[in-house]
Amino acid sequence: DAGVIQSPRHEVTEMGQEVTLRCKPISGHNSLFWYRQTMMRGLELLIYFNNNVPIDDSGMPEDRFSAKMPNASFSTLKIQPSEPRDSAVYFCASRGAGVNNEQFFGPGTRLTVL
Amino acid sequence: DQQVKQNSPSLSVQEGRISILNCDYTNSMFDYFLWYKKYPAEGPTFLISISSIKDKNEDGRFTVFLNKSAKHLSLHIVPSQPGDSAVYFCAVRSGNTPLVFGKGTRLSVIA
Repeated sequence: DAGVIQSPRHEVTEMGQEVTLRCKPISGHNSLFWYRQTMMRGLELLIYFNNNVPIDDSGMPEDRFSAKMPNASFSTLKIQPSEPRDSAVYFCASRGAGVNNEQFFGPGTRLTVL
Repeated sequence: DQQVKQNSPSLSVQEGRISILNCDYTNSMFDYFLWYKKYPAEGPTFLISISSIKDKNEDGRFTVFLNKSAKHLSLHIVPSQPGDSAVYFCAVRSGNTPLVFGKGTRLSVIA
């Protein structure tokens, strides 16, 4: 299995531009998570999906952030418009069904907003 | 308010000695506890876990200890090796909820 796949690995954009981050979870996993890592706040959960349905988006910082999961093998996290304070590493993770299953993380997307 | 605290941002240990990483949590409802390891430019990877019905779990050089009354979790690595140098995240969960992470501790193992 290729693991969780994220693209792009690096994104540099200018303030005000739209940014779309992509994630392909591990095949067969039914939960998908988006996290953001910053020096100040560590790893924060932004949103998670069960069976493609958003369950909790209370971690999404503002309306500028949105996430979709149109099918079991693809999710996007969009920031529009982007701001310099959105600069961070964004991780996608997936997990299979079962009480004590661990979350598997992708390699992350490093976003820099100038 | 942080639910999971790793109070040591960094730790340096000599090769061959024991590394002890600590984690405190606030909610007694958490029932599953994990440690993840993260190298630069990679995502966190699962290392070891323990459920609330146990107080110790061992896997090779890695042992996790859980003290429920103190709401305290620790990871022992013995003997420490240079390849163990990474950021270690403590993570907790209640039931099937998402993991809540601490801010991490950067471990440096010096040869």
